[in-house]
Amino acid sequence: KAGVTQTPRYLIKTRGQQVTLSCSPISGHRSVSWYQQTPGQGLQFLFEYFSETQRNKGNFPGRFSGRQFSNSRSEMNVSTLELGDSALYLCASSLAGQNTEAFFGQGTRLTVV
Amino acid sequence: DAKTTQPNSMESNEEEPVHLPCNHSTISGTDYIHWYRQLPSQGPEYVIHGLTSNVNNRMASLAIAEDRKSSTLILHRATLRDAAVYYCILRDGATDSWGKLQFGAGTQVVVTP
Repeated sequence: KAGVTQTPRYLIKTRGQQVTLSCSPISGHRSVSWYQQTPGQGLQFLFEYFSETQRNKGNFPGRFSGRQFSNSRSEMNVSTLELGDSALYLCASSLAGQNTEAFFGQGTRLTVV
Repeated sequence: DAKTTQPNSMESNEEEPVHLPCNHSTISGTDYIHWYRQLPSQGPEYVIHGLTSNVNNRMASLAIAEDRKSSTLILHRATLRDAAVYYCILRDGATDSWGKLQFGAGTQVVVTP
């Protein structure tokens, strides 16, 4: 069974550019969550999608956005990149239900120069 | 703010058991206790979760205090591969949303040969 796949694995962008990251969840998982991980702030929740609807959103500026497609694949977009956006971006997928676990991808390492 | 408290680090000898404590004094009746671990440059990996009763799986055991205000993750025989940051987090089971998981700093486990 394939795990959560995130692409690309590594990315280097210039300040002011925008970037789109992709996440393919485990087959059958309709919940997809995104996290940002930095050495200083640790893992911080960005947003959660379920059946193409954003269900929860973390405390990030509007430059951070996401969406989910009908096949449950999700993308997140960061516009007008800042140096502080350099981080490991992680995606997690899970089955619907209360007694379930989440499975994380390997992440996308974004470096803004 | 993180809802759980863990020691910053713990050391263990290889093939010895490791007991990782977690305090969650404000846990609600519907919160599931989840444990994840993260190896360097990888996404978090699911370890185990439970609600009230102790749980065992192939990776570890989870011992939950009777009042549920604390729990302990038990790695029965530590290997070098178990060296990672271990996160104890609470997930609200009142809904099937993953909501805003709050990862603290976790416990860095060091395994010595």
